[in-house]
Amino acid sequence: AQKITQTQPGMFVQEKEAVTLDCTYDTSDPSYGLFWYKQPSSGEMIFLIYQGSYDQQNATEGRYSLNFQKARKSANLVISASQLGDSAMYFCAMRRGGSQGNLIFGKGTKLSVKP
Amino acid sequence: DTEVTQTPKHLVMGMTNKKSLKCEQHMGHRAMYWYKQKAKKPPELMFVYSYEKLSINESVPSRFSPECPNSSLLNLHLHALQPEDSALYLCASRDRGGSETQYFGPGTRLLVL
Repeated sequence: AQKITQTQPGMFVQEKEAVTLDCTYDTSDPSYGLFWYKQPSSGEMIFLIYQGSYDQQNATEGRYSLNFQKARKSANLVISASQLGDSAMYFCAMRRGGSQGNLIFGKGTKLSVKP
Repeated sequence: DTEVTQTPKHLVMGMTNKKSLKCEQHMGHRAMYWYKQKAKKPPELMFVYSYEKLSINESVPSRFSPECPNSSLLNLHLHALQPEDSALYLCASRDRGGSETQYFGPGTRLLVL
C-alpha cells in the first residue's frame, strides 16, 4: 500500500536556525515523485520542492533542500536560516508513476518559528 | 507563471442554496483537480479532469457536481450541501513536465449553515 508518514505533528525552531522535517514513504513502484508543500494559515498550498525517484542528486530550491535517502525511503525537508514567515503547515506528498499524477499526502507538520 | 486562481475566497451558504466555485489556470495544464480539506487534515481528492474529461470521481456525493467547460476553467457546482461539507476547497492543475507537479490555488473557504 502507498503511504506517506510524517511523525512530527508540531515543531519549533529559533529564527535563523535550520530545521529538518521528517517524511518517510512506502511504495513498491519503481517510479515515483516526492513533493513538499507549505500551507500558511491563509490556506494556499505552496509547492516548495520536488524529488524524482531516479534523481541521483538531492533537490535544492533556495533555502529548501530535500534529503533523499532511497534505501531508507525517507525524504526529509531541510529549511536553512528559518524566517518568521516559514511558520506554516508542511505536507509531504508522493506521486505514483502512471497514476494521473495523483498525490498521497502525509498528515503534515506544523512548524512554528520563534523570534 | 504558476498561478491558479479561485473565486470566491469565502462563501457562506444555506443548505437549500445553489452556488458555484470557480477555478482558472492559464499555464496550459491539461489536468485539473478538486480537493476538500478539513481543518488540520491533509487535502482529500474529490475529482480529476484530464483533457476536459472527468477521469476520477472519488465517490463524492452528487450534491457536488464538477464541470470543465474548457482546458483553463474548472467549476464545482454545489447544491443542498450539509454543514459537514464546510471546508476549504482547493483547486490544482498539473504540470505536463517530468515532475508532474500540482500547483494549487488559494482555495475557497466554504461555510454551510
